[in-house]
Amino acid sequence: KNEVEQSPQNLTAQEGEFITINCSYSVGISALHWLQQHPGGGIVSLFMLSSGKKKHGRLIATINIQEKHSSLHITASHPRDSAVYICAVDRSGGSNYKLTFGKGTLLTVNP
Amino acid sequence: ETGVTQSPTHLIKTRGQQVTLRCSSQSGHNTVSWYQQALGQGPQFIFQYYREEENGRGNFPPRFSGLQFPNYSSELNVNALELDDSALYLCASSTPTGGQETQYFGPGTRLLVL
Repeated sequence: KNEVEQSPQNLTAQEGEFITINCSYSVGISALHWLQQHPGGGIVSLFMLSSGKKKHGRLIATINIQEKHSSLHITASHPRDSAVYICAVDRSGGSNYKLTFGKGTLLTVNP
Repeated sequence: ETGVTQSPTHLIKTRGQQVTLRCSSQSGHNTVSWYQQALGQGPQFIFQYYREEENGRGNFPPRFSGLQFPNYSSELNVNALELDDSALYLCASSTPTGGQETQYFGPGTRLLVL
């Protein structure tokens, strides 16, 4: 069993829909990251959180440390949101930021 | 734009050869991590360098080695290439601030080993 599990693996939505991507992990962490990867490889960091909730534009990330679970929400989805969304956990803290990644969720938003 | 660049963007090598991949971090980012991402998988941590010294290593053999330079650039070297080394190699830089830090990823180098 992977230490970081994401669901769903693939998600197709219509423009304007509310989207939720889930991440569960089985290890102790100091922080959790949500990343976006577009075709071609480039990865962009969306959020880093260790508790509670963060919001940036149409994106919202929440984490429940007790339940070892995080969600990424996209409101009013748009075709440009189509990408792979990856959850990664930082198990090390301090100055050694070794991230353990989930396999990603492929989101396709159709116009 | 993350301010992190990688070269080359694509590379084809044959089994047994050696390869050097390069990463240029943001100025002031003295931590760089390298990751290997196989097709359809999440990235896997290879190693991290902090102030030019290795500061953590994932489950990769010694033929994967690295260097970090004072000018915020770094290298990933892979000797005796194997077919399974075909992947996207990503570097990410950060500046540790005592606990947590956002990592800034480069666009990656796509390596194909034939």
